[in-house]
Amino acid sequence: DIQMTQSPSTLSASVGDRLTVACRASQNINSWLAWYQQKPGRAPKLLIYKASSLQSGVPSRFSGSQSGTEFTLTISSLQPDDFATYYCQQYDTYPWTFGQGTNVE
Amino acid sequence: EVQLVQSGGGLIHPGGSLRLSCAASGFSVGNEYMSWVRQVPGEGLEWVSIIHGERNTYYIDSVRGRFTISRDDSKNTVYLQVNNLRVEDTAIYYCARGTGISWGAFDYWGQGALVTVSS
Repeated sequence: DIQMTQSPSTLSASVGDRLTVACRASQNINSWLAWYQQKPGRAPKLLIYKASSLQSGVPSRFSGSQSGTEFTLTISSLQPDDFATYYCQQYDTYPWTFGQGTNVE
Repeated sequence: EVQLVQSGGGLIHPGGSLRLSCAASGFSVGNEYMSWVRQVPGEGLEWVSIIHGERNTYYIDSVRGRFTISRDDSKNTVYLQVNNLRVEDTAIYYCARGTGISWGAFDYWGQGALVTVSS
């Protein structure tokens, strides 16, 4: 199985901060990577697909990038609504796998 | 409007069975990649199974042979039959849609159904 390793596990931040969350794949997944935001008691919400494509309706302060097997989610200016847990997910090879999550507090 | 409405879930004894349902509206489940994803409360996400196309399916190793994903195109509903349940299957089960260029990225999710396996 492809392992997805996110860092950090927890990130302390303030409104207005620029945030980056990293996700490393254990092997090549091309660009088949998604990012999700999840709040307590809610289903995840798709933010980014194909590594850097912004999902419709998602604010432009969210962006994704790739360098080889390293992927990054960036929030350019953290807003109060952005405090949540973020997950990456590869969909290149079955079984599709998620990172362990990054809690932004 | 695209919606996924789940039903099923509950408290089940080890070895028991349950069927989870995911009723879709606003699109046809037969035309999309429909998955089940589970989450132990307070923990991370785990993709479980998928059905797409001419009922092509895939399961993670830990559920293969015990879980069955299916769909009823006439009811526009996807199911997950879960048999021989184990304590470690306790989780919130979500159905999710993948579509188009983002077939593996889930753009719509159900509200989740809690399955608790306990004696």
